Amino acid sequence: SAVISQKPSRDICQRGTSLTIQCQVDSQVTMMFWYRQQPGQSLTLIATANQGSEATYESGFVIDKFPISRPNLTFSTLTVSNMSPEDSSIYLCSVTGSHIYGYTFGSGTRLTVV
Amino acid sequence: GENVEQHPSTLSVQEGDSAVIKCTYSDSASNYFPWYKQELGKGPQLIIDIRSNVGEKKDQRIAVTLNKTAKHFSLHITETQPEDSAVYFCAASMIQAGTALIFGKGTTLSVSS
Repeated sequence: SAVISQKPSRDICQRGTSLTIQCQVDSQVTMMFWYRQQPGQSLTLIATANQGSEATYESGFVIDKFPISRPNLTFSTLTVSNMSPEDSSIYLCSVTGSHIYGYTFGSGTRLTVV
Repeated sequence: GENVEQHPSTLSVQEGDSAVIKCTYSDSASNYFPWYKQELGKGPQLIIDIRSNVGEKKDQRIAVTLNKTAKHFSLHITETQPEDSAVYFCAASMIQAGTALIFGKGTTLSVSS
């Protein structure tokens, strides 16, 4: 299995600013994903974080708004840029790999934009 | 891409009754179907999963069934207890290809004593 450390766990940010969320895994993993969960909603896939190359974004999500980095096989960051109140959500990273049963999720980052 | 539909959106049962939540998926290549339970303020927790080479899986009071031909799978909870009250999500993926989980919209289960 894998253990994920996701930081920060929560934050309150001013509109127009940016927040970078970190996802650190205790072992090398093949795939890393970022999700958004808006209040009272399901988990929506934002992008797949690819090691050493640009992330693959889902429809409705763009790199300028949600830049993602993945410098190695254990770490990724998601930045929420130029935030508005509509960005208030829980953001979660998830990983899978040959040594992981199923998918492991981080504990999430609860973001409030005021 | 994959699309997962989940029904019902809300479900209320009496303690001791059974609860059934159903999901359909669109991509016949999907081969991994987990169910997650999410309690208020917490992240989703895996409660049971099934792979496409199996038709049914049980774990105590929880079972999942899969019909690959019809592309649907269901979560069955027997002898429900108040602590089963939570939001349940189904999901699907091609796990061997390393694709992301695609989630259904969730079912809010309320168990009253």
